[in-house]
Amino acid sequence: SAVISQKPSRDICQRGTSLTIQCQVDSQVTMMFWYRQQPGQSLTLIATANQGSEATYESGFVIDKFPISRPNLTFSTLTVSNMSPEDSSIYLCSVARGTGNTGELFFGEGSRLTVL
Amino acid sequence: GNSVTQMEGPVTLSEEAFLTINCTYTATGYPSLFWYVQYPGEGLQLLLKATKADDKGSNKGFEATYRKETTSFHLEKGSVQVSDSAVYFCALRGGGYNKLIFGAGTRLAVHP
Repeated sequence: SAVISQKPSRDICQRGTSLTIQCQVDSQVTMMFWYRQQPGQSLTLIATANQGSEATYESGFVIDKFPISRPNLTFSTLTVSNMSPEDSSIYLCSVARGTGNTGELFFGEGSRLTVL
Repeated sequence: GNSVTQMEGPVTLSEEAFLTINCTYTATGYPSLFWYVQYPGEGLQLLLKATKADDKGSNKGFEATYRKETTSFHLEKGSVQVSDSAVYFCALRGGGYNKLIFGAGTRLAVHP
């Protein structure tokens, strides 16, 4: 398994502001993923963040709105920019062990954002 | 593209009842299949997994069998407890993609 720490665990934000979420993993991992879980909904992938390359964004998500950094193999940040109430969600960091694409993902506890 | 479809919830059961939550998938190649669980106020946890056809994943009394012929991975438990109340997500990974693709989730409520 992997121990994944996210900060902040929750926050209340004002419309138009930006917030950066941090994800720290207890060991080096190649693949990190950022997911969004809107209230009462399933998880949707925002982007894949591999160290040493630009993040790859899913359809409907853009770098200007969700810039991601991946400075090393144990850390990543996701920024939610120019927030609106529609951005109120749980944002989850997840990691995969190894480089294959069939193993499970491990998830952090999530960062619950409420935008007023 | 790849996708996962799971039964609509909520599912409400009495304690000790039998549980089935249906999950079917569409994917190219041979993906791995997973059930994740989200207990109230907690993060997402892996419940069980299966990586190839006919594999059976099991954990905490829950089971699911990877059925390639019916593209299904139904979750079952013979006798549910109140503590099983949670949201259950079916998911797949592979089939040409690194990402984990989730179904819509099924909320289970178990009453004493």
